[in-house]
Amino acid sequence: KAGVTQTPRYLIKTRGQQVTLSCSPISGHRSVSWYQQTPGQGLQFLFEYFSETQRNKGNFPGRFSGRQFSNSRSEMNVSTLELGDSALYLCASSFQGYQETQYFGPGTRLLVL
Amino acid sequence: GQNIDQPTEMTATEGAIVQINCTYQTSGFNGLFWYQQHAGEAPTFLSYNVLDGLEEKGRFSSFLSRSKGYSYLLLKELQMKDSASYLCAVLTPGGSTLGRLYFGRGTQLTVWP
Repeated sequence: KAGVTQTPRYLIKTRGQQVTLSCSPISGHRSVSWYQQTPGQGLQFLFEYFSETQRNKGNFPGRFSGRQFSNSRSEMNVSTLELGDSALYLCASSFQGYQETQYFGPGTRLLVL
Repeated sequence: GQNIDQPTEMTATEGAIVQINCTYQTSGFNGLFWYQQHAGEAPTFLSYNVLDGLEEKGRFSSFLSRSKGYSYLLLKELQMKDSASYLCAVLTPGGSTLGRLYFGRGTQLTVWP
């Protein structure tokens, strides 16, 4: 079974731009969670989607948004990028939700200049 | 707020045993996860504890004491490939039935030959 895939793997943007990241979960998994990982803050929960609905959201500003499609693929969007948004963005999938074992993708490393 | 503490760094030698501690102070508790993350790679699941006691899985064991807000990950017969960051994550009750998942900042373990 193929693992979680994320595209792109690396991205460089400038302040004020917006970015869209993509995540394809493991086949059959319906829950996709997104995390931001930085050296200073560690791994922080952004939001979780299940069957195209956002079920839970972390403490991030409204510039961070996401969606999930009927095939469970998910996208995350960050608008009006700030320097502090530079981070590794990880998505994780599970069958029903993050209270189960999650399987992480390799991440998208975003650099904001 | 939620507080999850782990040591930042630890070192050990091949063949030795190491214990990585995690203490937490959270508004509620629904379970504790340990993940392993090699540099530049995605976190991978190691263990999940929801009841007090020790869970053993090969060379790795995880212990939980809910009354003390304390967990540890025990790694035996250390190998060079065990050099990685070890992440402790606590699942707390939230507005939905899923609650929220909070990660510690990780413990960077270096295994020397």
